[in-house]
Amino acid sequence: DVKVTQSSRYLVKRTGEKVFLECVQDMDHENMFWYRQDPGLGLRLIYFSYDVKMKEKGDIPEGYSVSREKKERFSLILESASTNQTSMYLCASMVRVGSWNTEAFFGQGTRLTVV
Amino acid sequence: GQQLNQSPQSMFIQEGEDVSMNCTSSSIFNTWLWYKQDPGEGPVLLIALYKAGELTSNGRLTAQFGITRKDSFLNISASIPSDVGIYFCAGQLRTGNQFYFGTGTSLTVIP
Repeated sequence: DVKVTQSSRYLVKRTGEKVFLECVQDMDHENMFWYRQDPGLGLRLIYFSYDVKMKEKGDIPEGYSVSREKKERFSLILESASTNQTSMYLCASMVRVGSWNTEAFFGQGTRLTVV
Repeated sequence: GQQLNQSPQSMFIQEGEDVSMNCTSSSIFNTWLWYKQDPGEGPVLLIALYKAGELTSNGRLTAQFGITRKDSFLNISASIPSDVGIYFCAGQLRTGNQFYFGTGTSLTVIP
């Protein structure tokens, strides 16, 4: 079974703190993603990465950065946490199935509260 | 980004009833996935669909990849209380590696 593990289930941080959310997958997947999930807004893509040291902005990258130093680990960084970044953060990794199809697997989520 | 319209937004049903939900898009997708998310947890992949017209089952769940490649359907038969949760569809374009997600269907099963 594919396993995507996020380092924390719950985090409480103060405004202005630098926050690191870690995600590790154990299946040698190349593609990894960070989403945030908010009521009524669904899943919104923050950043994704196709390979080590490669990153692409998603739909809402402002206030975030990412790091992919090793294939299995994709980190999301909140440079200076703000209350509007309180959310559920979901990491996903994607595997290719055949020539044209893929499947995506999620971590268990990190509920971040910024106070 | 791409818009996936998922309906209904929420459903309240009696235990034992069947459930249907669907996703539609203005774009043609190469892959459709269906997920279930329990409160406070990450989405879990239920069914993956790869070909137009494909019908795939996973226990009491059945999903179909629409013929037009712009829609997909999920059915749950004989619902039980543990079916409660939010169900998401996700679609992938032939070009690109991203998935696009529906806004979810919240299912409540009344015992």
